[in-house]
Amino acid sequence: AQKVTQAQTEISVVEKEDVTLDCVYETRDTTYYLFWYKQPPSGELVFLIRRNSFDEQNEISGRYSWNFQKSTSSFNFTITASQVVDSAVYFCALSAFNDYKLSFGAGTTVTVRA
Amino acid sequence: EAGVTQFPSHSVIEKGQTVTLRCDPISGHDNLYWYRRVMGKEIKFLLHFVKESKQDESGMPNNRFLAERTGGTYSTLKVQPAELEDSGVYFCASSQDQGAGDSLGKNIQYFGAGTRLSVL
Repeated sequence: AQKVTQAQTEISVVEKEDVTLDCVYETRDTTYYLFWYKQPPSGELVFLIRRNSFDEQNEISGRYSWNFQKSTSSFNFTITASQVVDSAVYFCALSAFNDYKLSFGAGTTVTVRA
Repeated sequence: EAGVTQFPSHSVIEKGQTVTLRCDPISGHDNLYWYRRVMGKEIKFLLHFVKESKQDESGMPNNRFLAERTGGTYSTLKVQPAELEDSGVYFCASSQDQGAGDSLGKNIQYFGAGTRLSVL
């Protein structure tokens, strides 16, 4: 069985602060995918990143960065210099390599105050 | 390119009534998925279509839920009769061809904005 845990329910920061969202997962699969999605107030889930389990290289995209550590089964997400537009619910998800079902965490609500 | 569209965006019905949700996937995407988020909990998988065929419906809660995808284009999810515990947000997603080990992002699922169902 697969499980994704996002221990932080809500995070509130002031604009320009950095914020890190934790994601810990459990899986018996040796190869798998990890994802992050963003759900802004408009409601749609916006794809942010997919990471293969055999690629532990960290990734940076603008103000977003992801830290994948297989040894601790974590795939954390950091927003640097947060902005009000970053306010959203962020979901971490996992799927087996040969599967399509996504297993989601409960989501973390990020509020960035001006 | 249009994304995944769902309607209605919000539906309020009485217990025992019937509701039909619709999803239009991204054009050219053979794979279509339904998920549900209940009471702020995890988003849970319901089922998966490949074109018009049900590939996996293991997540469907019970036989009050019926999903169809006639012609392999849009999909409907009918709840009949609706119960209070069916309330939640129903998401639809689509993706291109499945394939293990692909580096082209074909198994990335793109989601719609969801339909918020309230059963009173």
